[in-house]
Amino acid sequence: DTGVSQDPRHKITKRGQNVTFRCDPISEHNRLYWYRQTLGQGPEFLTYFQNEAQLEKSRLLSDRFSAERPKGSFSTLEIQRTEQGDSAMYLCASSLRAANYGYTFGSGTRLTVV
Amino acid sequence: ILNVEQSPQSLHVQEGDSTNFTCSFPSSNFYALHWYRWETAKSPEALFVMTLNGDEKKKGRISATLNTKEGYSYLYIKGSQPEDSATYLCAFTGANNLFFGTGTRLTVIP
Repeated sequence: DTGVSQDPRHKITKRGQNVTFRCDPISEHNRLYWYRQTLGQGPEFLTYFQNEAQLEKSRLLSDRFSAERPKGSFSTLEIQRTEQGDSAMYLCASSLRAANYGYTFGSGTRLTVV
Repeated sequence: ILNVEQSPQSLHVQEGDSTNFTCSFPSSNFYALHWYRWETAKSPEALFVMTLNGDEKKKGRISATLNTKEGYSYLYIKGSQPEDSATYLCAFTGANNLFFGTGTRLTVIP
């Protein structure tokens, strides 16, 4: 297992288009997180899964955003009708448990909406 | 949303200098404090996870301390090297996810 992988690394899309990102976590990790990072800010929590269940969603996650983790393995984050404000780095992380364990992050997907 | 603050925002040091950064966080409902190093074009890498008041952790030339009663943590780098150049993020966890500070951007000048 080589860590958390995210695909694609970069995505440029036109405003109004839909985009989907994929995250493959470390296989033994039951928790999976999505974060968004914009310039000058730290990563902001979007949502997290424990196995296949989506247990928490941030208010940042508008109804244009949806995340899934079928079968508790990989996860997808879809953004519908993209807006320029969606331009950011989208980071995925996984962990074995909450709180006391470090998260393993992927390299992120850089989204640019033009 | 919990307020996690880091200072300074950015820092330039000469190679060989020692340096430190501060992370302040809410002292109530504390579970753990994480430090990550994020180099450009790479993934954030976990440095330390600290849970107990008075914890001190060390990894090579990098060490961290934790004061949960007053809500702060320090990260120290001894004898900075150019490869230490990165953004250092701290993150507070209440229970189920991490709340990050905005990071300290360290540049080590050879």
